[in-house]
Amino acid sequence: QQQVKQSPQSLIVQKGGISIINCAYENTAFDYFPWYQQFPGKGPALLIAIRPDVSEKKEGRFTISFNKSAKQFSLHIMDSQPGDSATYFCAAKARNAGGTSYGKLTFGQGTILTVHP
Amino acid sequence: ETGVTQSPTHLIKTRGQQVTLRCSSQSGHNTVSWYQQALGQGPQFIFQYYREEENGRGNFPPRFSGLQFPNYSSELNVNALELDDSALYLCASSRSSGTGNEQFFGPGTRLTVL
Repeated sequence: QQQVKQSPQSLIVQKGGISIINCAYENTAFDYFPWYQQFPGKGPALLIAIRPDVSEKKEGRFTISFNKSAKQFSLHIMDSQPGDSATYFCAAKARNAGGTSYGKLTFGQGTILTVHP
Repeated sequence: ETGVTQSPTHLIKTRGQQVTLRCSSQSGHNTVSWYQQALGQGPQFIFQYYREEENGRGNFPPRFSGLQFPNYSSELNVNALELDDSALYLCASSRSSGTGNEQFFGPGTRLTVL
């Protein structure tokens, strides 16, 4: 029940195209959903995050769409650029029994995005 | 850059040895979480420290232990190293252990166990 399933494993997009990465979860206690970008040899960098009380959040070229009833969320990268080529991880954090999160992020398996010039 | 630093960058150990990894949190952050990232996988939560106490733990055996110091820096100790412990070890700092607090990751320590 703690898993976050991410797809696709890899994605190839042409420059200027839209990249879409999907994640699904089962644990209804998850209440915070961040996306991270990781370049080779670096730690994950927080891109954008959403809470279940909104259905969409946009920051620049990055948009999260959230479907609470389907327990799915996705990352859209508009006007994809070669510099966006990286591994992307969705994650989720749950409330603990006391109603406050204790910090554990559960990550998806990652999507390797390649943007061709 | 996040302001989270980790040392060393790379480390090579042999099976059965012990290792200590270090993390300095971002200024203003009092919570540190440790993650293990195997090659080609997402990070796996090891544990979290808040105000010098462990307040959350993932599915890792007791030979994985940690400390947090009064300045909020942290150590991860792994005893009796196994080949499967080879991974990138990441620490992440945040403002508190409460809801929705963003976690900022350091660059990681690459541990190789031979």
